[in-house]
Amino acid sequence: EIVLTQSPATLSLSPGESATLSCRASQSISSFLAWYLQKPGQAPRLLIYDASTRATGTPDRFSGSGSGTDFTLTISSLEPEDFAVYYCQQRSSWPITFGGGTTVEIK
Amino acid sequence: QVNLQESGPGLVKPSETLSLTCTVSGASISDFFWSWVRRSPGKGLEWIGYIYHSGNTKYNPSLKGRATMSVDTSRNQMSLRLTAVTAADTAVYYCARAECSGYLWCFDTWGQGTRVTVSS
Repeated sequence: EIVLTQSPATLSLSPGESATLSCRASQSISSFLAWYLQKPGQAPRLLIYDASTRATGTPDRFSGSGSGTDFTLTISSLEPEDFAVYYCQQRSSWPITFGGGTTVEIK
Repeated sequence: QVNLQESGPGLVKPSETLSLTCTVSGASISDFFWSWVRRSPGKGLEWIGYIYHSGNTKYNPSLKGRATMSVDTSRNQMSLRLTAVTAADTAVYYCARAECSGYLWCFDTWGQGTRVTVSS
């Protein structure tokens, strides 16, 4: 099973600041990585797939990069609605796995 | 617009079987792959399995053979059965479409989730 390790666990930032979230895979997953955002009481929402492709409706302040084992989600200027939990997910091999999540909280 | 809605009992006793249904609207269940994902209290997301209308399924080995998924095309629904539940199965359960822009195994549409508590 591929383990995805997200860091940091919590990121405390102010609106307007940029955020950099990391996801590291225990073995190479090529570019088969997706990012999701989840707010309390809501379902996860797909932001990015295949490491860098924005899903329909994802604002361009969200960008993804990386390949192999190291991936990054960057939010260029945090909006109030961006404070949430972010998960990465790999689809390179079975079983599909998710990272433990990074909470982006208001400082 | 595709919508998914989970339903099922919110409370299940230990050792019994958890049964959930996901109703799909805005798309034919026969046209896509579908999955169940859960989020346990204080934990992250866990993929449970996928199903295609042909009966093709795959499950997370972590569930040790306890999960079974099925599709009812006449009702445009899919179902999850999880046997011999324990407190560790307490979670919010989501159904999701297991495709994004034609690629498999990313999840572009989710239901709102249904909370299941395992307790006597």
